[in-house]
Amino acid sequence: KAGVTQTPRYLIKTRGQQVTLSCSPISGHRSVSWYQQTPGQGLQFLFEYFSETQRNKGNFPGRFSGRQFSNSRSEMNVSTLELGDSALYLCASSPGQGRGNEQFFGPGTRLTVL
Amino acid sequence: GEDVEQSLFLSVREGDSSVINCTYTDSSSTYLYWYKQEPGAGLQLLTYIFSNMDMKQDQRLTVLLNKKDKHLSLRIADTQTGDSAIYFCAENNAGNMLTFGGGTRLMVKP
Repeated sequence: KAGVTQTPRYLIKTRGQQVTLSCSPISGHRSVSWYQQTPGQGLQFLFEYFSETQRNKGNFPGRFSGRQFSNSRSEMNVSTLELGDSALYLCASSPGQGRGNEQFFGPGTRLTVL
Repeated sequence: GEDVEQSLFLSVREGDSSVINCTYTDSSSTYLYWYKQEPGAGLQLLTYIFSNMDMKQDQRLTVLLNKKDKHLSLRIADTQTGDSAIYFCAENNAGNMLTFGGGTRLMVKP
């Protein structure tokens, strides 16, 4: 099976712009979660989507949003970018049934905000 | 909120065993995970343990869980230079939400 893919791998934006990141989960997986990784805050949970519905949400401002399509692919959007949004954004794929499923991560999208 | 804590750094010699420790606070966590991250890469799932288990062994990896003390450890036997990376423990909260520790940087000296 192919692994989790994320596009693009690298992105450079300027403050005030918006950005859309994409994640394709492992075939058959219905849950996609997004995480932000920064040197200062570490790995922080953004949100989880399961069967096109947001199931959990982390403590991030409303500028961060996401969605999931019927084929389980997911996108996350960040509007009005700030310098502090520079980070590695990781998505994780899992079968999604109940808690404790194995979660497999993609290689991430490195976003730089100038 | 829940906090997961790890020591920052561990240095070992090639061929020795490495033990990476983690403490967590959410007693309702059902699963606990270990991930490995190499420079410029995403997270690689190494192993996980169900909370009703005390130990899990998978080739060179041994996970020990002390639920009373909320302490988790990862032992890597016969550590190799390719094991040099950052190791994260994580606990499973609501749904598939994971709370991660800050990561332990393992350096393996030849």
